[in-house]
Amino acid sequence: EPEVTQTPSHQVTQMGQEVILRCVPISNHLYFYWYRQILGQKVEFLVSFYNNEISEKSEIFDDQFSVERPDGSNFTLKIRSTKLEDSAMYFCASSVRQRGAAETQYFGPGTRLLVL
Amino acid sequence: TQLLEQSPQFLSIQEGENLTVYCNSSSVFSSLQWYRQEPGEGPVLLVTVVTGGEVKKLKRLTFQFGDARKDSSLHITAAQPGDTGLYLCAGANTGNQFYFGTGTSLTVIP
Repeated sequence: EPEVTQTPSHQVTQMGQEVILRCVPISNHLYFYWYRQILGQKVEFLVSFYNNEISEKSEIFDDQFSVERPDGSNFTLKIRSTKLEDSAMYFCASSVRQRGAAETQYFGPGTRLLVL
Repeated sequence: TQLLEQSPQFLSIQEGENLTVYCNSSSVFSSLQWYRQEPGEGPVLLVTVVTGGEVKKLKRLTFQFGDARKDSSLHITAAQPGDTGLYLCAGANTGNQFYFGTGTSLTVIP
């Protein structure tokens, strides 16, 4: 069964460094998302992406964050100048919308980011 | 921000017991999804409900969407240790943002 994959599974970085989290969505999906989950807290929406542009973003997704679909398969989240509070699990999700049906998002296994 | 509150937050029961988890909001959602999440892994979709009053069954799990599409419940019959995990509800608005609930951590004791 097709699945969303994410790399790396774990990333440790120094405060102030840039990180790029990578995702390979399910191949026929057109809508892509990033979420984060701080340890012990709920899953929070960051951004949605469709047709090579951001379609919606939350207040968390400030200028420190950017997303890109550099080729036909990868979807990346870049965090510039990481802060301690960026430490979290970051989940990528993808979906395909069908007329008359509810959207279903499929999640990747996540990247655990630790900022020291 | 559309808030989804889940209750209870923690639940520990004996194998074979029944349980119900609730997901409540003051907002109306176009659809609602239930996920189960294992520690260190991503949420895994269990079900999507769309129509107010809709009931869906997945083996021993029964999901219901409230008539007003503001709330939902998950009922597990004869819980098993394999049901242990974090159960999350997520509501979709008319845009494409999903709002996750606060989660219910279920432990089923053998």
